[in-house]
Amino acid sequence: KNEVEQSPQNLTAQEGEFITINCSYSVGISALHWLQQHPGGGIVSLFMLSSGKKKHGRLIATINIQEKHSSLHITASHPRDSAVYICAKSTDKLIFGTGTRLQVFP
Amino acid sequence: DAGITQSPRHKVTETGTPVTLRCHQTENHRYMYWYRQDPGHGLRLIHYSYGVKDTDKGEVSDGYSVSRSKTEDFLLTLESATSSQTSVYFCAISERGEEAFFGQGTRLTVV
Repeated sequence: KNEVEQSPQNLTAQEGEFITINCSYSVGISALHWLQQHPGGGIVSLFMLSSGKKKHGRLIATINIQEKHSSLHITASHPRDSAVYICAKSTDKLIFGTGTRLQVFP
Repeated sequence: DAGITQSPRHKVTETGTPVTLRCHQTENHRYMYWYRQDPGHGLRLIHYSYGVKDTDKGEVSDGYSVSRSKTEDFLLTLESATSSQTSVYFCAISERGEEAFFGQGTRLTVV
């Protein structure tokens, strides 16, 4: 079993839809990271969470430490949000989920 | 932008040759990592470092070695490259409790 599990693996949406990507991890963490990778592009950090909720523009990340679960929400999705979204847990090292490929169509 | 660079960005090499990839940071972060990214597998940890001369293996370390003689540099070496090591390699840096930063990636092709 992977230490970090993401769902769904693939996601398609129409522009304007509300998107949710889920991440579960198996053991305790010091922080949970959400990252974005555009096709052929580099990897950019979106959020780092150790508790509660963070918001940046149309992106919202939440974490439930007791449930060992985090979610990334995208409100009013747009085609430029099409990318792979990756969660990673950090303890003494970063361990990644396999990513969620999101495609948003106009 | 965080100061982290990888070199080279692209490399084609022959099976059996040694290859060294370099990751350089200007952020003075303690942790440095090497990952490989392959379709269907996501990012998998090869090796990481938690200080100068302090390194540890990740989940896919076979066939790879690393060295960190200075805080700013983390080298990944393929002693004898194989076709299964064709991949995109990413370096990352972090500090405990802070966000992580990634290099631009190195596309390695072993023919």
